[in-house]
Amino acid sequence: QSALTQPASVSGSPGQSITISCTGTSSDVGGYNYVSWYQQHPGKAPKLIIHDVSNRPSGVSNRFSGSKSGNTASLTISGLQADDEADYYCSSYTSSNTLDWVFGGGTKLTVL
Amino acid sequence: QVQLQESGPGLVKPSETLSLTCTVSNYAISRGYYWGWIRQPPGKGLEWIGIIYHSGSTHYKPSLKSRVTILVDTSKNQFSLKVTSVTAADTAVYYCARVPSSSWYVDNWGQGTLVTVSS
Repeated sequence: QSALTQPASVSGSPGQSITISCTGTSSDVGGYNYVSWYQQHPGKAPKLIIHDVSNRPSGVSNRFSGSKSGNTASLTISGLQADDEADYYCSSYTSSNTLDWVFGGGTKLTVL
Repeated sequence: QVQLQESGPGLVKPSETLSLTCTVSNYAISRGYYWGWIRQPPGKGLEWIGIIYHSGSTHYKPSLKSRVTILVDTSKNQFSLKVTSVTAADTAVYYCARVPSSSWYVDNWGQGTLVTVSS
């Protein structure tokens, strides 16, 4: 069982927007601005798309945006494209008992 | 552009030690950043293993701490991972990674290497 909870799957049609949630606790997502999001295509290494809750690395499309409210972080992808179909993982620093770095279980995005 | 490349045996016997090396290109480890390891069992999610600074300072995942050692060799621009007493549960794709020292995220990943634990 993953420390952070994500929906197993989401779907959307090209051009639409979707949001993936990532729920933790006040010891991780809610307590620090160290939430990051990764996109992983099959057989490939993950790729950073959002760091520190809402910051986009250079070269990442502005169709990707991140936010946080309380113990839940969210990744929104607007203007869905076929190539967005991938697995998405959130992660967060945590210090509930001791320093740790946890990931969500991943969300499979299907572009219909 | 920084590049990371994992190397090491793809098959390890149960109870033995898993050893991997990550070679970093186009960036000197000694300049900064944390350098670490993350793994992904087949068909499953990501799991952080640990990170090391060029000074040798380390942080390990608490549940793996007793079996994991990460070392850095700045002269070779490499860092390494050892996991002792492996079981089938340690079968995974192992990624080496670069982590900014001011935050907690991976800005560069290696391509990953599959390590299977089996007799």
